[in-house]
Amino acid sequence: ETGVTQTPRHLVMGMTNKKSLKCEQHLGHNAMYWYKQSAKKPLELMFVYNFKEQTENNSVPSRFSPECPNSSHLFLHLHTLQPEDSALYLCASSQEGQIVGELFFGEGSRLTVL
Amino acid sequence: KNQVEQSPQSLIILEGKNCTLQCNYTVSPFSNLRWYKQDTGRGPVSLTIMTFSENTKSNGRYTATLDADTKQSSLHITASQLSDSASYICVVSAQGNNRLAFGKGNQVVVIP
Repeated sequence: ETGVTQTPRHLVMGMTNKKSLKCEQHLGHNAMYWYKQSAKKPLELMFVYNFKEQTENNSVPSRFSPECPNSSHLFLHLHTLQPEDSALYLCASSQEGQIVGELFFGEGSRLTVL
Repeated sequence: KNQVEQSPQSLIILEGKNCTLQCNYTVSPFSNLRWYKQDTGRGPVSLTIMTFSENTKSNGRYTATLDADTKQSSLHITASQLSDSASYICVVSAQGNNRLAFGKGNQVVVIP
């Protein structure tokens, strides 16, 4: 139990579907992140939220739409995805002002786009 | 070119043996370096963190070293166990910002 919960753990969707990934953190942190992890590639930062405000969008295509209603919840809305978007999507949280790089990750959502 | 390079990409070791994973980085100015362990199908979990002034840090059978002059770090696993089978990811932080540079990971498989 890492304190960061992601659902669903596995998702298969067609290119025309609309789905959402959910992340909830129980650590009292004020920053949340979405990362994409593809095979044999480093983790790629997608979005960063500090105190519910988006502070970074790492040139992510608009077919990925994040939402952060409060500092404990983070969503990633998916629509008209491409097969190359198939990957493990990791949510993480951290406490601003603490040691940089101290991320707490969820278990990930394995996405397959057909 | 990635700012963090890890080697070997993958290795297979016998249970009970030792192994060493390497991480070279170009991130500057350096703030800290962290090793994460990621089991298959799970999220990464932090093993150790090292700052500029630290040379060695241990966490059970895991020992990390840091040479800030040569910008190299290693993770040594002693008396490997089957549960050590995982990907080990090196993550380097730069001073002055919150950006993290991730390596691709070392995939370790421990066999009985």
